[in-house]
Amino acid sequence: AQTVTQSQPEMSVQEAETVTLSCTYDTSESNYYLFWYKQPPSRQMILVIRQEAYKQQNATENRFSVNFQKAAKSFSLKISDSQLGDTAMYFCAFMKTSGTYKYIFGTGTRLKVLA
Amino acid sequence: DVKVTQSSRYLVKRTGEKVFLECVQDMDHENMFWYRQDPGLGLRLIYFSYDVKMKEKGDIPEGYSVSREKKERFSLILESASTNQTSMYLCASSSKDWVGYNEQFFGPGTRLTVL
Repeated sequence: AQTVTQSQPEMSVQEAETVTLSCTYDTSESNYYLFWYKQPPSRQMILVIRQEAYKQQNATENRFSVNFQKAAKSFSLKISDSQLGDTAMYFCAFMKTSGTYKYIFGTGTRLKVLA
Repeated sequence: DVKVTQSSRYLVKRTGEKVFLECVQDMDHENMFWYRQDPGLGLRLIYFSYDVKMKEKGDIPEGYSVSREKKERFSLILESASTNQTSMYLCASSSKDWVGYNEQFFGPGTRLTVL
């Protein structure tokens, strides 16, 4: 069975600084997808960034980038130039490419960006 | 604009009541999901459906049932609500098309309190 672990329940960062959120996972699958989702306070959860396991290049979306280490089963999210609007709960998620379309979510990291 | 809506943002029910949570998506998605979100536990899958009238149990189906009579609508039913079902309930949908990398689109959530 797959598991996803986020070891940082809460983090804070000063506005304009860089922060990295950690995620590790466990799977015996060779191909899969990894995702970071953002849930702002009282707002809907949205996709931030995704990574396909067979792609070696780390995904980047504007100020958001990942450090994907397949051998170490690590998938961290880096947020550069943090903004107040980045304050949210961040969830790491895993989905295998075979079988059903189920996600396995981590327990989340609550990030607060300080002015 | 992609949209997943849920019938209520807040709901208060009594122990033993039958509770219906409704979810509607306008993206013609095949897959729909019900999660519950609890602090420290992340998102846990209750049930999902990959087609009309099809359903599969997730990780925590006990005490819940679902109904999908139309493609756009997926209902979660608490047959006899109990206090341990007090939680945030999130609905999500996704396309079965792999080109979309199976991004899940979430509703705003229903915060259910069972007294």
